[in-house]
Amino acid sequence: DTAVSQTPKYLVTQMGNDKSIKCEQNLGHDTMYWYKQDSKKFLKIMFSYNNKELIINETVPNRFSPKSPDKAHLNLHINSLELGDSAVYFCASSQDPGELFFGEGSRLTVL
Amino acid sequence: AQSVAQPEDQVNVAEGNPLTVKCTYSVSGNPYLFWYVQYPNRGLQFLLKYITGDNLVKGSYGFEAEFNKSQTSFHLKKPSALVSDSALYFCAVRDMASGGSYIPTFGRGTSLIVHP
Repeated sequence: DTAVSQTPKYLVTQMGNDKSIKCEQNLGHDTMYWYKQDSKKFLKIMFSYNNKELIINETVPNRFSPKSPDKAHLNLHINSLELGDSAVYFCASSQDPGELFFGEGSRLTVL
Repeated sequence: AQSVAQPEDQVNVAEGNPLTVKCTYSVSGNPYLFWYVQYPNRGLQFLLKYITGDNLVKGSYGFEAEFNKSQTSFHLKKPSALVSDSALYFCAVRDMASGGSYIPTFGRGTSLIVHP
């Protein structure tokens, strides 16, 4: 069983479109995250949820909207996609203050 | 504010030789420190962590790290490198004094290349 699973793994779309990435964890963790990894492999925290409540919202354009229907799921919706949104997006979960468990990543390419 | 520095973008080592990947940190309270490894086109995998106790911590795949409070360092080490250790390594810190926020901060990553 995959601990943290995210779909889709690859996403290719046109500028201006809206897309979503889904994430589910079966570890029973309280906290989930979205990270963005750019072309230089730098990891930047975007959002963090604890028990369905938003606790961290870094400087991210409001075109990005996370949604957590329950503590096992944290989805990321992106409106009006721009070229600069192209990156690999990682979902992760943890039972604080322990280590993070990452998904395999969703590679978004905006054309 | 917490921060992590990985001063080397790339480390090259011959197979069988010892390896060290450097990490220094800055926090206002006691740190929780972590190392992760990322293979190409994969997510990050946890290697080891320091919470409290012995300064030398052992982790997966024969890796270990030494917590040095006076030097604010947490270098990753392995006595004998394997070609299969070639990957991207991330150091991360959680500051337990940051008002209850446990959000980890990651270093920029160090690419380890082990030559046959």
